[in-house]
Amino acid sequence: AQSVSQHNHHVILSEAASLELGCNYSYGGTVNLFWYVQYPGQHLQLLLKYFSGDPLVKGIKGFEAEFIKSKFSFNLRKPSVQWSDTAEYFCAVNPRDRNKLVFGAGTILRVKS
Amino acid sequence: SAVISQKPSRDICQRGTSLTIQCQVDSQVTMMFWYRQQPGQSLTLIATANQGSEATYESGFVIDKFPISRPNLTFSTLTVSNMSPEDSSIYLCSVAEQPYEQYFGPGTRLTVT
Repeated sequence: AQSVSQHNHHVILSEAASLELGCNYSYGGTVNLFWYVQYPGQHLQLLLKYFSGDPLVKGIKGFEAEFIKSKFSFNLRKPSVQWSDTAEYFCAVNPRDRNKLVFGAGTILRVKS
Repeated sequence: SAVISQKPSRDICQRGTSLTIQCQVDSQVTMMFWYRQQPGQSLTLIATANQGSEATYESGFVIDKFPISRPNLTFSTLTVSNMSPEDSSIYLCSVAEQPYEQYFGPGTRLTVT
């Protein structure tokens, strides 16, 4: 079955620390890849997306993600986190032959000020 | 991106009753979806709401339990029927204008007692 794995369920960082959230998927075909973020009390928002081209994609608020096809990975990074980055982050995969998003379990990030 | 609203935002319902959740979009969209996010878990696709025809359900979800309507390109409803405490979840509507890129509504938090 298609699945998406996020390696850490809870991450706690101090402000200015670097962030990397892992995401791996199991699907052999062509995929579109997404990271969504849910800030406390807010609804799910699209953070960044990868469809094709440059495997390093940049999103809002200084986030970026790198698609490594050979590793079936799409890790999210930010060089220096802020307290306002406290949120839950979801990796999602869309197999291109389906109009369907498969979500990872989510990673709750808490940034200490 | 489209602006999506859902009604109600939350509800507490008794076992055995049904609740209809509405999803309204401020512009016409091709695709609409319904997801469930159970406590502490990730999002799971329930079904794709098709305009003018029956919804397409994912494995594990059936029309008798989750009837869906989509009378036009801006509106859809999801009914949770004969509810049990296991149906306590957040139910989210999403829309896609471009293929595969989905945007989410604020969700409906349902508690079944």
